[in-house]
Amino acid sequence: GAGVSQSPSNKVTEKGKDVELRCDPISGHTALYWYRQSLGQGLEFLIYFQGNSAPDKSGLPSDRFSAERTGGSVSTLTIQRTQQEDSAVYLCASSHSAGGEKLFFGSGTQLSVL
Amino acid sequence: AQTVTQSQPEMSVQEAETVTLSCTYDTSESDYYLFWYKQPPSRQMILVIRQEAYKQQNATENRFSVNFQKAAKSFSLKISDSQLGDAAMYFCACLGTYKYIFGTGTRLKVLA
Repeated sequence: GAGVSQSPSNKVTEKGKDVELRCDPISGHTALYWYRQSLGQGLEFLIYFQGNSAPDKSGLPSDRFSAERTGGSVSTLTIQRTQQEDSAVYLCASSHSAGGEKLFFGSGTQLSVL
Repeated sequence: AQTVTQSQPEMSVQEAETVTLSCTYDTSESDYYLFWYKQPPSRQMILVIRQEAYKQQNATENRFSVNFQKAAKSFSLKISDSQLGDAAMYFCACLGTYKYIFGTGTRLKVLA
């Protein structure tokens, strides 16, 4: 596609439910990142995928969070048993490589946990 | 480990005036990159300017320029001739090997 696409744009869920957030990066981009942006905070690194290499999951805040990237393209971020503190904007970004190139961002998913 | 600090949560500038946004960083990498990204209300982050740390010359992009002080680990953004469309959140970021670390952002208001 022309840009990084994220869905849904907004998601409201009840505490304890599982949610899946989707990211469709720019075709040909091998690097894919997930970030979390809480109100008044910067972007918190969650996870990084590069090609077929093992992902860097060091930013995932708990074992309720997981992510996968199928076929080196689409990525899904899953949050199990959501908590109110999970409420945030989840941003996905991709780049052609990780060699200093700029990131292309999606418009994010606003997650609200009631 | 890398850290990025933006000490100005909010700044205001009069239309057509100049404003400077501050950023300091710390990294153990010898080779790294620095970025300024803009986030309008649409939430989609847009690259404003990029600086390679090994280059001494400050990057410029039309009305946007940086003051890169490597020894001081400072990377400020200057916006000249501010326009209403410049109003947004601005994030400073540092890229080491592959991980981009972002600051907490500065909200820029442009006054007509």
